Amino acid sequence: GAVVSQHPSRVICKSGTSVKIECRSLDFQATTMFWYRQFPKQSLMLMATSNEGSKATYEQGVEKDKFLINHASLTLSTLTVTSAHPEDSSFYICSAWSGLNRAEAFFGQGTRLTVV
Amino acid sequence: AQSVTQLGSHVSVSEGALVLLRCNYSSSVPPYLFWYVQYPNQGLQLLLKYTSAATLVKGINGFEAEFKKSETSFHLTKPSAHMSDAAEYFCAVSDNAGNMLTFGGGTRLMVKP
Repeated sequence: GAVVSQHPSRVICKSGTSVKIECRSLDFQATTMFWYRQFPKQSLMLMATSNEGSKATYEQGVEKDKFLINHASLTLSTLTVTSAHPEDSSFYICSAWSGLNRAEAFFGQGTRLTVV
Repeated sequence: AQSVTQLGSHVSVSEGALVLLRCNYSSSVPPYLFWYVQYPNQGLQLLLKYTSAATLVKGINGFEAEFKKSETSFHLTKPSAHMSDAAEYFCAVSDNAGNMLTFGGGTRLMVKP
């Protein structure tokens, strides 16, 4: 079945540095990918919609200059957390709908970001 | 706008007992509905989905859910709980294939021996 791969699964960084998270669709093309954020013991909240070849669409309250999204190819979207702060520590998950079966959204394994 | 409400943030059942996780949705268009399971520090795995076909949907691991339009519900059930079912469960709605998912708050299922 369709697979979405996310890397890295865990990352620890120092305050003020930037971290890049990759999301790949392994056996299908995804013109659109979604980035979610999940705080401990909470649900997933959509951060932004990543569109191949164009600018991402951010949800209200999400700083586009802080969370940079690049969707340069049909199989790769990246989320860069710039100038990270401890409050950015969270679980980030990407998602894409498979072209093989459009009625299912596949999720990456998630990235646990810890900013110290 | 769409929304999902999961009644009960924590549900505890005994091994072998019926599992019932509740989900109610709000959508202005015919919805696509999903149940996902999440284990600690992992992504989401699809259990089952409703996409306007049969209202009783069977999924993996013995789970099933019934779409009831009149009640705007999509409750998840399993006849007999197993210890390995202990996890976080999310109900989600979308207005169309390919669009964003809106998630409920999640229900943590605990299974007692």
